[in-house]
Amino acid sequence: AQRVTQPEKLLSVFKGAPVELKCNYSYSGSPELFWYVQYSRQRLQLLLRHISRESIKGFTADLNKGETSFHLKKPFAQEEDSAMYYCALYGQNFVFGPGTRLSVLP
Amino acid sequence: DGGITQSPKYLFRKEGQNVTLSCEQNLNHDAMYWYRQDPGQGLRLIYYSQIVNDFQKGDIAEGYSVSREKKESFPLTVTSAQKNPTAFYLCASSTRQASNQPQHFGDGTRLSIL
Repeated sequence: AQRVTQPEKLLSVFKGAPVELKCNYSYSGSPELFWYVQYSRQRLQLLLRHISRESIKGFTADLNKGETSFHLKKPFAQEEDSAMYYCALYGQNFVFGPGTRLSVLP
Repeated sequence: DGGITQSPKYLFRKEGQNVTLSCEQNLNHDAMYWYRQDPGQGLRLIYYSQIVNDFQKGDIAEGYSVSREKKESFPLTVTSAQKNPTAFYLCASSTRQASNQPQHFGDGTRLSIL
């Protein structure tokens, strides 16, 4: 079975503070992991995927197979990062986590 | 902007009625998907289609039906057999049903029961 968990429904940080959005998964095979983001009044869109090993808008995410985690990190949060973030896994199909709402306070 | 268009934005259904949600894409994508979003549950896959005239059940297909007669269109019918249809429905597409292809999403349709 495939499953994605995001333990925090809401995460509030101050501008300039580091931020980490947690994502854990369960899947018996080798998964592909993604982070999707939905800004206010915009469509859900891809932020980054682990296979690309890229940094987008200052965010990075490392796949830790030992801990089955794919946490999203940014060293200095900006107000424009406030959005809903979804972790997703592709194993047999796409499975999305419940989402974490990030609020960056001024 | 273009890409994926879902209509209508809001839809109301009387009990016992079937309703059809529209999803059209002009991205020339092969694969299309339907998700249901409920508060606190993320997105759950209803149906997906990798190619015209072919589609597969997702995790929560009961009470739903789809068709894929054209590459650009993937309508979802919520039947009267779906006992709890009130939800937000998202359509997505990708170049192909493969793990490393990002999905492009529409704006969604919110379905409510009268």
